[in-house]
Amino acid sequence: EVQVVESGGGLVNPGGSLRLSCAASGFTFSSYSMNWVRQAPGKGLEWVSSISSSSTYINYADSVKGRFTISRDNAKNSLYLQMNSLRAEDTAVYYCARGRDYSTSSGYNYWGQGTLVTVSS
Amino acid sequence: DIQMTQSPSSLSASVGDRVTITCQASQDISNYLNWYQQKPGKAPNLLIYDASNLETGVPSRFSGSGSGTDFTFTISSLQPEDIATYYCQQYDNLPTFGQGTKLEIK
Repeated sequence: EVQVVESGGGLVNPGGSLRLSCAASGFTFSSYSMNWVRQAPGKGLEWVSSISSSSTYINYADSVKGRFTISRDNAKNSLYLQMNSLRAEDTAVYYCARGRDYSTSSGYNYWGQGTLVTVSS
Repeated sequence: DIQMTQSPSSLSASVGDRVTITCQASQDISNYLNWYQQKPGKAPNLLIYDASNLETGVPSRFSGSGSGTDFTFTISSLQPEDIATYYCQQYDNLPTFGQGTKLEIK
């Protein structure tokens, strides 16, 4: 069974940092792109970042470029999102989602349950 | 960035009704469009990929069509379990989602 499980969310002060992790199982992790999508409370979905299967291609939304860093460790079946210089507007549930194939251009067919990040003093 | 305009923003329909949601891209995205369903408190679920392809395990009452800038998502016969918010997503360039359509039962 395919599973992706996020962790690392929590309460952080504005300007602070947080590192999200996503543990994957049930599929060949190194063959699929991975993605982060967030959803602010009561709002719609916002794509955050994508990384191709071998980390060759990485993309970021303009809203997080220069502050967030996506990475993956195929040996550990894990995806990460390092979030620095956090702002109140980064408050959201962050979802880890698997792409349908190796590229960053595909739909996301498996999602985790999400981890809540709250940026507040 | 490519903007996705989804309509309507909310919709009320009866069980058995045919339901249609549209999504318009700000520029040509070929068929690089997905549709997702999100139930309250849950993660999104991919229903349609590449504009018209049904994801594995998704009921056949769901369908999608379109190419270029104009896309349509249809539920042929609304069921009570279809109550959710539906999102389109383009991936021709950096991905963007539509603002969502909240579907309710009349």
